[in-house]
Amino acid sequence: EVQLVESGGGLVQPGGSLRLSCVASGFTLSTYWMSWVRQAPGKGLEWVANIKKDGSEKYYVDSVKGRFTISKDNVKNSLYLQMNSLRAEDTAVYYCARENTNRGGLDYWGQGTLVTVSS
Amino acid sequence: QSVLTQPPSASGTPGQRVTISCSGSSSNIGSNYVYWYQQLPGTAPKLLIYRDSQRPSGVPDRFSGSKSGTSASLAISGLRSEDEADYYCAAWDNSLSGWVFGGGTKLTVL
Repeated sequence: EVQLVESGGGLVQPGGSLRLSCVASGFTLSTYWMSWVRQAPGKGLEWVANIKKDGSEKYYVDSVKGRFTISKDNVKNSLYLQMNSLRAEDTAVYYCARENTNRGGLDYWGQGTLVTVSS
Repeated sequence: QSVLTQPPSASGTPGQRVTISCSGSSSNIGSNYVYWYQQLPGTAPKLLIYRDSQRPSGVPDRFSGSKSGTSASLAISGLRSEDEADYYCAAWDNSLSGWVFGGGTKLTVL
């Protein structure tokens, strides 16, 4: 059974840093692109970043470029999101999601982890 | 302001057919597949439609997707109370090099 479990969320002050983790099970991370998607309280979905199967390509939404870094450890079957210089507008539930290789789209999602940026 | 445009709300009575539109541009819907996600209250999104009109296993055939040019739509027939959720369209955007989502449509079953 495919499962994605995020962790690492919490309360952080503006300008601070946080590292999110997503542990995958039921499939091999090295064979899939992976994404982070966030949802601010009461708002819609916003794609944040994705990373190629072998980690050689990474893409980011403009609002996080230079502040967030997506990475993966295929040995630990884990995905990460290092978030620096956090702002109040980064407050959201962050989901990791698997990109289906053949069909496209995000076919499995984790339960999400809440990041709150506030003083 | 979302890159893809959806109506913020839609509604229908049990048994009715409702459609939700999604409008984009040549760099996203016009040149790539559209995906639809269903988000029930308090849960993570779930893939509902892939590659414009295909249903993953387990998704009832009451749900259908279509695309024409730079617009797409999701149709739900035989509306049921458990269909009450937020629905999002998405596509890869070649200009932005990233996934773009619609703002979401809240479906209410009256």
